[in-house]
Amino acid sequence: EPEVTQTPSHQVTQMGQEVILRCVPISNHLYFYWYRQILGQKVEFLVSFYNNEISEKSEIFDDQFSVERPDGSNFTLKIRSTKLEDSAMYFCASSAPPDTQYFGPGTRLTVL
Amino acid sequence: GNSVTQMEGPVTLSEEAFLTINCTYTATGYPSLFWYVQYPGEGLQLLLKATKADDKGSNKGFEATYRKETTSFHLEKGSVQVSDSAVYFCALTATSGTYKYIFGTGTRLKVLA
Repeated sequence: EPEVTQTPSHQVTQMGQEVILRCVPISNHLYFYWYRQILGQKVEFLVSFYNNEISEKSEIFDDQFSVERPDGSNFTLKIRSTKLEDSAMYFCASSAPPDTQYFGPGTRLTVL
Repeated sequence: GNSVTQMEGPVTLSEEAFLTINCTYTATGYPSLFWYVQYPGEGLQLLLKATKADDKGSNKGFEATYRKETTSFHLEKGSVQVSDSAVYFCALTATSGTYKYIFGTGTRLKVLA
């Protein structure tokens, strides 16, 4: 069964450093998403991406964040200058419109 | 705006007990409704879904019915197992636009042998 994959599973970084989180969505899906879950809290929407552009972003997704689909398979989330409060689990998801989203296993980001 | 409210956890049950986790929503139009499960240390897995009023989603013994009149999508299981211990998230998505999910806060379920 096709699945969404994410790398790395855990990333530790120093405050102020740039990180890139990677995702490989399910191959025939067209909509891509990033969500985050701060420890013990709800899952929050960050951004959606369709047709090679951002279709919606939340208030959390400020200028420090960017997304890219550099080739036909990868979907990345970049945080330019990490803050302590960026520590969270980041989930990538993909869907074939307008149906169910399939989530990856997540990347745990720890900012020190 | 759209929102999802879930009952507070944790919920602790004995094996074979009946489970209900309440979920109510506020939305414009007719959203699709979902339950996702997160096992310890893992990601979000789709448990079941319903896309229109009176639909019943079911999977692995879990059920939920889309009730438009009460704006609810309560999760039920007749007999829980220890392996059902996890966090359960109710979510909705609009049926137009970007289809982003709005999640509830999650309800932690612990089942004791």
